[in-house]
Amino acid sequence: EIVMTQSPATLSVSPGERAALSCRASQSVSSSLAWYQQKPGQAPRLLIYDASTRATGIPVRFSGSGSGTEFTLTISSLQSEDFAVYYCQQYDNWPRTFGQGTKLEIK
Amino acid sequence: EVQLVESGGGLVKPGGSLRLSCAASGFTFSKAWMSWVRQAPGKGLQWVGRIKTKTDGGTTDYAAPGKGRFTISRDDSKNTLYLQMNSLKTEDTGVYYCSADVSTVNDNWGQGTLVTVSS
Repeated sequence: EIVMTQSPATLSVSPGERAALSCRASQSVSSSLAWYQQKPGQAPRLLIYDASTRATGIPVRFSGSGSGTEFTLTISSLQSEDFAVYYCQQYDNWPRTFGQGTKLEIK
Repeated sequence: EVQLVESGGGLVKPGGSLRLSCAASGFTFSKAWMSWVRQAPGKGLQWVGRIKTKTDGGTTDYAAPGKGRFTISRDDSKNTLYLQMNSLKTEDTGVYYCSADVSTVNDNWGQGTLVTVSS
């Protein structure tokens, strides 16, 4: 099973600033990497797939980059609604595995 | 509008069984790979399993924790996904989400149903 490791566990950023969240795979997953946002009491929401493609309706301030084993989710200018937990997930191999999550909190 | 509505959760004793359902609408269910994902209280997301479309063989795959105990099935005539869970353990407690690969991987999710395994 591919292990996904996210860092940091918690990231404190002020509104309007830029945030960069990292995700590392234990072996190459090519570009088969997705990012999800989850708010308390809600289901996950797909933000990015294929490492860098925004899902339908996702604002342009969200961007993804990377391939192989190293990936980054960047939020260019944080809005109040962006404070949430973010998960990466690989789907190159079964089972599709998630990282443990990064909590993005208001500084 | 795509909708996924889970049901069937509840309180069950260790060793018991439960069947979850996920009613789908707003897309061609028979053409979507479907998955179950769970989340223990205060924890992260964990894959349970997946079922392919009948066109792709209808095969299922399970993550290790549920292998041999959980069975995923689908009824395309009813647009419904199922998760049969047997020999439940306390560590199976959590919210169970169904998810659909409609346009891309896991782009649609239900709101989840809570399963509590406790004596």
